[in-house]
Amino acid sequence: QQQVKQSPQSLIVQKGGIPIINCAYENTAFDYFPWYQQFPGKGPALLIAIRPDVSEKKEGRFTISFNKSAKQFSLHIMDSQPGDSATYFCAASKAGNTPLVFGKGTRLSVIA
Amino acid sequence: EPEVTQTPSHQVTQMGQEVILRCVPISNHLYFYWYRQILGQKVEFLVSFYNNEISEKSEIFDDQFSVERPDGSNFTLKIRSTKLEDSAMYFCASSQTSGGATGELFFGEGSRLTVL
Repeated sequence: QQQVKQSPQSLIVQKGGIPIINCAYENTAFDYFPWYQQFPGKGPALLIAIRPDVSEKKEGRFTISFNKSAKQFSLHIMDSQPGDSATYFCAASKAGNTPLVFGKGTRLSVIA
Repeated sequence: EPEVTQTPSHQVTQMGQEVILRCVPISNHLYFYWYRQILGQKVEFLVSFYNNEISEKSEIFDDQFSVERPDGSNFTLKIRSTKLEDSAMYFCASSQTSGGATGELFFGEGSRLTVL
């Protein structure tokens, strides 16, 4: 119930492509769904986050789509660039001071 | 830009030795966390700390682990008797509000622990 399942494990796209990373959860008490980006040798950094009262959130080239009934959410990266090559983690948490539960991560490579 | 700083960046230790990992959270943050990441795997929650006490801990955070905020600025993770399976990258994080649901978690660059 505490798990967040993320796929794919790795992804290679051409520059300009639109990689899509998917996450699914079981716990309906989760109400905060962030995506973190991690470059090699660095800590994860918040990229974008969504709450279940909206179905989509866009920030620059990054979009989260959220499907509450399916308990799924996904990250889309428009016009991907080689600089987007990183590991992306989805996460979820419940209201209050509860810890984030992370997915296993997706290693994205954007090739020129 | 304020950041979470961690030391050491890499520590190598013998099995059974005690290790202390140090973190300086962002100064006006109130909630502090330790996570770990075994190489190539997901980021796992260890413990959260608020108002000078542990607010939540995972099953990983057993009696071998302890946390302390000794002087109002540092936040430390101690592993009393390290095991081979403790080898991982340990991340400290902090947030201004209860970071899980209402605010951003800021992570440090991590301390890599290698237990031989």
